[in-house]
Amino acid sequence: AQSVTQLGSHVSVSEGALVLLRCNYSSSVPPYLFWYVQYPNQGLQLLLKYTSAATLVKGINGFEAEFKKSETSFHLTKPSAHMSDAAEYFCAVSKQGAQKLVFGQGTRLTINP
Amino acid sequence: EAQVTQNPRYLITVTGKKLTVTCSQNMNHEYMSWYRQDPGLGLRQIYYSMNVEVTDKGDVPEGYKVSRKEKRNFPLILESPSPNQTSLYFCASSPIEKNIQYFGAGTRLSVL
Repeated sequence: AQSVTQLGSHVSVSEGALVLLRCNYSSSVPPYLFWYVQYPNQGLQLLLKYTSAATLVKGINGFEAEFKKSETSFHLTKPSAHMSDAAEYFCAVSKQGAQKLVFGQGTRLTINP
Repeated sequence: EAQVTQNPRYLITVTGKKLTVTCSQNMNHEYMSWYRQDPGLGLRQIYYSMNVEVTDKGDVPEGYKVSRKEKRNFPLILESPSPNQTSLYFCASSPIEKNIQYFGAGTRLSVL
């Protein structure tokens, strides 16, 4: 069975600081990995996805994530936080070619002025 | 505009009163799915559908029903709602050839 663990339900950073949101997965087969963002009172939007091509994946709004098979990790980073990045972020995994997504618990990101 | 539309956005009801949350997508996607979101638990899949007349249980199907009579619509039915079904519900759709799911804006349901 596949599962996702997001380390830290709340992360707070200062505006301009590095954002690092952690995600570890378990999968018996090569996975597809995703990061979704949920702004207040909105649905989820895809930030980026890994599908076994390049291990460093660039997404929207300056975010990127690196797939590290040896660490079973897919951490999300952004070099410089902006106030508009305040949201909840979800890591998700699926099997290759499958539609079913398994989500992590979510990490709420707060940006301090 | 390509979108997934859920209605209603907010709903307060009482225990046992049947309700339906509608979901419609205009992207001709084969795959549709319902999730519920609860604090600390992320999103959990309730039911999904691979195409018209093809539905299957997700991880938390108890107390819910779905139907897929048309490609664009995938309603979620609560025959006899209970307070433990108070949650935020999301509908999503995806083309079969691409594993990218598009989400509706959500329906916040309170069962008293």
